[in-house]
Amino acid sequence: DSGVTQTPKHLITATGQRVTLRCSPRSGDLSVYWYQQSLDQGLQFLIQYYNGEERAKGNILERFSAQQFPDLHSELNLSSLELGDSALYFCASSPRDRGLTEAFFGQGTRLTVV
Amino acid sequence: GEDVEQSLFLSVREGDSSVINCTYTDSSSTYLYWYKQEPGAGLQLLTYIFSNMDMKQDQRLTVLLNKKDKHLSLRIADTQTGDSAIYFCAEASPLYNTDKLIFGTGTRLQVFP
Repeated sequence: DSGVTQTPKHLITATGQRVTLRCSPRSGDLSVYWYQQSLDQGLQFLIQYYNGEERAKGNILERFSAQQFPDLHSELNLSSLELGDSALYFCASSPRDRGLTEAFFGQGTRLTVV
Repeated sequence: GEDVEQSLFLSVREGDSSVINCTYTDSSSTYLYWYKQEPGAGLQLLTYIFSNMDMKQDQRLTVLLNKKDKHLSLRIADTQTGDSAIYFCAEASPLYNTDKLIFGTGTRLQVFP
């Protein structure tokens, strides 16, 4: 157990809908990263938050957004869902934003858009 | 670009050594990592190496870093069937106010008896 908790584990929804994925980082970790893992595109970095602030953005679509709350949990919001958004979504947490020595991953949320 | 490259597949016999290779992109990357992903599971951090080191050994795992060529490798000694998984290398690439964690394409290791 990495100490990073993601909910829900599985999600099935229809095209056009909106979902929210939740991530609770390890105790004491301030940095949260979101990744999308699909069969054709591998593990893509989406966005990173550190202590409530957005720090880095990757290949995140405009239909997607994220935030990190004062208690440090993070949510990834996916809207106007398309079939191609079906993927595993991972979050990772790390104690810091710089000089990363370790980033631990949650078990992921498997999103299926039908 | 941001493509961290790995070969897609590796097949080894149980008991042999496995070597998984990775070419990363940013010569200023501070840390380099190896993660393991078993089917249906998340990513498990196996080991990491700081960029000023050229080798790190941790039980059956040996990481070699060639900073000049931006080449990273993971050697697994005495490979077991339980080592069958996808292995990802990753680099912590510094931006102006943070480190961005970028992953390779993953290498699927298959261990046969």
